[in-house]
Amino acid sequence: EDQVTQSPEALRLQEGESSSLNCSYTVSGLRGLFWYRQDPGKGPEFLFTLYSAGEEKEKERLKATLTKKESFLHITAPKPEDSATYLCAVENTGFQKLVFGTGTRLLVSP
Amino acid sequence: EPEVTQTPSHQVTQMGQEVILRCVPISNHLYFYWYRQILGQKVEFLVSFYNNEISEKSEIFDDQFSVERPDGSNFTLKIRSTKLEDSAMYFCASTGEVEAFFGQGTRLTVV
Repeated sequence: EDQVTQSPEALRLQEGESSSLNCSYTVSGLRGLFWYRQDPGKGPEFLFTLYSAGEEKEKERLKATLTKKESFLHITAPKPEDSATYLCAVENTGFQKLVFGTGTRLLVSP
Repeated sequence: EPEVTQTPSHQVTQMGQEVILRCVPISNHLYFYWYRQILGQKVEFLVSFYNNEISEKSEIFDDQFSVERPDGSNFTLKIRSTKLEDSAMYFCASTGEVEAFFGQGTRLTVV
């Protein structure tokens, strides 16, 4: 069974304090690993797709990386507006669905 | 920018009543999904829909659930006889090539 585990559950940072969020996964065949941002009471907002180990993608202060067992979301010099829950999900090559982790709640204080 | 739209944003219903949640996927997308998120828990897959039929469904998607694409733009989720445990955020999503784009959700409260 495909599984996604995210850590930490919650993370508090000061504005400008860089850090990383972890997503460990097990999947029999990876079609893609996805990062989403979710604000309270809202739907997941797509950030990145990673397809193979070694791949990296960047968007503003966010950078996602992928190995065969985990993915990291690096946040460089975060701002308060980066506060949200960050979700990781995988899609198996044999299925048409996303399997989500429980997310990391990020709070960035000014 | 194209987006997935869902209505209503909030629905309160009595236990045992039928509800229909509505979604308008992104117009050129071919795959449509429903997911749900119980408060404080992870987003869970319910069903995927392609070419006017269900392509995959989870164990949660039992006989009380059904999906339909009644016309060229809408995609609906019907819950026939709601239970207290159906209270959750329900998200519609659609996919063009790979990435799934989600709507803002319908908060369903069963009382």
